Amino acid sequence: AQTVTQSQPEMSVQEAETVTLSCTYDTSESDYYLFWYKQPPSRQMILVIRQEAYKQQNATENRFSVNFQKAAKSFSLKISDSQLGDAAMYFCAYRSGLDSNYQLIWGAGTKLIIKP
Amino acid sequence: ETGVTQSPTHLIKTRGQQVTLRCSSQSGHNTVSWYQQALGQGPQFIFQYYREEENGRGNFPPRFSGLQFPNYSSELNVNALELDDSALYLCASSARTGGWQGSPLHFGNGTRLTVT
Repeated sequence: AQTVTQSQPEMSVQEAETVTLSCTYDTSESDYYLFWYKQPPSRQMILVIRQEAYKQQNATENRFSVNFQKAAKSFSLKISDSQLGDAAMYFCAYRSGLDSNYQLIWGAGTKLIIKP
Repeated sequence: ETGVTQSPTHLIKTRGQQVTLRCSSQSGHNTVSWYQQALGQGPQFIFQYYREEENGRGNFPPRFSGLQFPNYSSELNVNALELDDSALYLCASSARTGGWQGSPLHFGNGTRLTVT
């Protein structure tokens, strides 16, 4: 069975600085997708960025980028120029490319604190 | 474009009772998934509905059941409530079209269920 591990329960960063959130996963599959979701106090899960396992190029979305190391099964999220609105819980999630449904397997989350 | 809406936002029930949670999927989405998120944890997949049929289920007992209606809205029913059912219940929708495996889920704000 696949597992997702986020080893940092909490991270803090000064506003405008850069922070990296860690995520590792375990799978025997070669076809899968990885996601980072953000959950602010409003409770809604919001997609931050996604990565297809078959793509070697790291995904980027404005200030957000990932470091995808397939052999090491690592998928870290880098947030540049941190803003107060980035404060939230961040979850890493895995989806098999073989499943016939949308089941996501989630890590336990990292709480990101932005210091003004 | 209307997003995913869930009702009610909060609910308090007594152990042994039954509860129904509701979800309206985002316009154009034909698939609905339900997740349970206990306090301080990542979400756990309950099940998914596609074309009004369950097509994937996580490790949840049969007292967790659901429905999907022709307009793609959905209900989650939980019978014989237990204290451990206290959690945030998240509904997510997506469009099952070509290349759907990599498409993201769109979440609602969740229903906070407290069982006393």
